[in-house]
Amino acid sequence: DAKTTQPPSMDCAEGRAANLPCNHSTISGNEYVYWYRQIHSQGPQYIIHGLKNNETNEMASLIITEDRKSSTLILPHATLRDTAVYYCIVRVGSGNTGKLIFGQGTTLQVKP
Amino acid sequence: DTAVSQTPKYLVTQMGNDKSIKCEQNLGHDTMYWYKQDSKKFLKIMFSYNNKELIINETVPNRFSPKSPDKAHLNLHINSLELGDSAVYFCASSRMPGAGELFFGEGSRLTVL
Repeated sequence: DAKTTQPPSMDCAEGRAANLPCNHSTISGNEYVYWYRQIHSQGPQYIIHGLKNNETNEMASLIITEDRKSSTLILPHATLRDTAVYYCIVRVGSGNTGKLIFGQGTTLQVKP
Repeated sequence: DTAVSQTPKYLVTQMGNDKSIKCEQNLGHDTMYWYKQDSKKFLKIMFSYNNKELIINETVPNRFSPKSPDKAHLNLHINSLELGDSAVYFCASSRMPGAGELFFGEGSRLTVL
């Protein structure tokens, strides 16, 4: 089972920041948080990951709370092309058998 | 060039038939995966291979037999297809086993009638 919970859906206005929350209260100290998205009819796409510190790349920013029990993915200027299902994932297992367990994700609808 | 490519993209077949889906990655990765996405959109890992060796098998029925002729290819053969096998099957690869950054293919939609 997925170790994360996310709201099933969110809306965001085009050009505004999209803030997608995720709870992972049972996360262990050495488990990373990963974010992926799946645009309709395409394969999932890696966005970003983090352990303790906030992370930023060309796609998004990841804010992880100090207790690591929740995180927020931020798309700073959402566009219509960002409409997708966003998955927050805590990798389970360790070493070679570590794996990504996808939950239901959040369907983000960016509106003009 | 497509990094992870799957064929066929669509497959429609009758119950009881045997079918295969092929996957190739040109990223030089050591590890490849098969995921299944059902009608409720849940993505579930099925198998993982590292350099041609099976390392993850998620209690998938033995009608499903993955084969990895080399580390750039991972094929999925399904025997005696059932209605419940209808799904989108995604192939993925990563640089090493256990990695969290996966590169997915575009998926193969299998419909069993």
